[in-house]
Formats: sequence, structure tokens, C-alpha cells
Amino acid sequence: GNSVTQMEGPVTLSEEAFLTINCTYTATGYPSLFWYVQYPGEGLQLLLKATKADDKGSNKGFEATYRKETTSFHLEKGSVQVSDSAVYFCALMTNNNNDMRFGAGTRLTVKP
Amino acid sequence: DTAVSQTPKYLVTQMGNDKSIKCEQNLGHDTMYWYKQDSKKFLKIMFSYNNKELIINETVPNRFSPKSPDKAHLNLHINSLELGDSAVYFCASSQDLRGGELFFGEGSRLTVL
Repeated sequence: GNSVTQMEGPVTLSEEAFLTINCTYTATGYPSLFWYVQYPGEGLQLLLKATKADDKGSNKGFEATYRKETTSFHLEKGSVQVSDSAVYFCALMTNNNNDMRFGAGTRLTVKP
Repeated sequence: DTAVSQTPKYLVTQMGNDKSIKCEQNLGHDTMYWYKQDSKKFLKIMFSYNNKELIINETVPNRFSPKSPDKAHLNLHINSLELGDSAVYFCASSQDLRGGELFFGEGSRLTVL
């Protein structure tokens, strides 16, 4: 079945550090890939997405590239801020259904 | 104006009670969902509806019964609440069955004592 595996947290970084959160997937067909972010006390919101191989999604300084050869969609940011502290979810959805599968979430804490 | 709104935000109740959580979206979307998030933040789909029709019904106890009176509303009724039902329940919507971006409500934290 379709599934997403992302690195376990929590991740604690200092402000302006480089961030990588790993995400790999297993899917039949050609999935679309997503990163969602959940700030404390809020629902999830879309951070970025990529719908086909080699696409790069980007938003708010975050980037992720859809790598079919390694079945990965790692999230990166060059310089994190305290306001980036949140839980980040990798997710996939295949074209033939509307079942969004989420990874377990990675909690990021950025300290000043 | 909140796109996906769910009520109540917090719900504390005793084991064995019946409770409902309501969800409404004003985005004009066709598809709505209920997700359950446990204490470790793991997010699992429970149901999805498209234009009031049940599409996804994961392995969820039949104590959970979704109801969609129209495509803008998807309510969740839970009978005979158990301790293990304690979680945050999120409603979400997407434009249609092709999925794509999901828009989430702020969540309803259910605590069963």
C-alpha cells in the first residue's frame, strides 16, 4: 500500500541553522507529494507540493524536490527562524484516489 | 472568515457518552474528510465524503458515524465513547475527488474520562 516514512523527531536547531527533514515514500502509480506544517494549536496547512518527478516545490524559504529514483521528498531550509517551530508532515496522494497518506510528523524547535 | 470551521474546539466527556463534532466549509469544495490525530501526532484518515456520498471508510469502529447533510457539512457522531477515542479530530476539505491540497480545520480535542 501507499505509505510515507519521515525522520523521527524531535529536531532542535539554533536560529539560522540549516534544516533537513527526510521523507521517503512507497506508492503504486505516480503520487503527488506534499509537505504540511502544523503550528501549535492549529490545523495543518499546506507548505509546498510537487506533482511529478524532478519538480521542486518551494514556499517561505522551504524547498523539496521530488526524486523518483530515490523515492524521496526531503524538506530543506537554508536558515531557520524561531517562527518555523512546528510539526512538519510529509504526505502523498496517488492520482486514482483522494486518500492523502501522512507521515508520522517531525517536530521542529528553533531556539534563538 | 474561516474556511473550514469545526465545533466544539474542546470536548471533555465521560466514557459511555455520545457526542458529536460538527464541520462546515465555505470554500465550495466537493470533498470533505475526517482525520484522527493521536497523542504522538500521528494522523490517520477516518472518512471522506464527496457531494454527500461516502467514499472512504477506513477501519473505524461503527460507533463512529459520519453524516453529510449537504456538501458543505460533514459531522461526526460518536456513540459509547471509550478512553481510546481521546484524540484531536480534524475536518478537512478538498476541491474534488482528485484531492490535491487539503484545507484543515483547527481541530477538536476530545478527552474521554
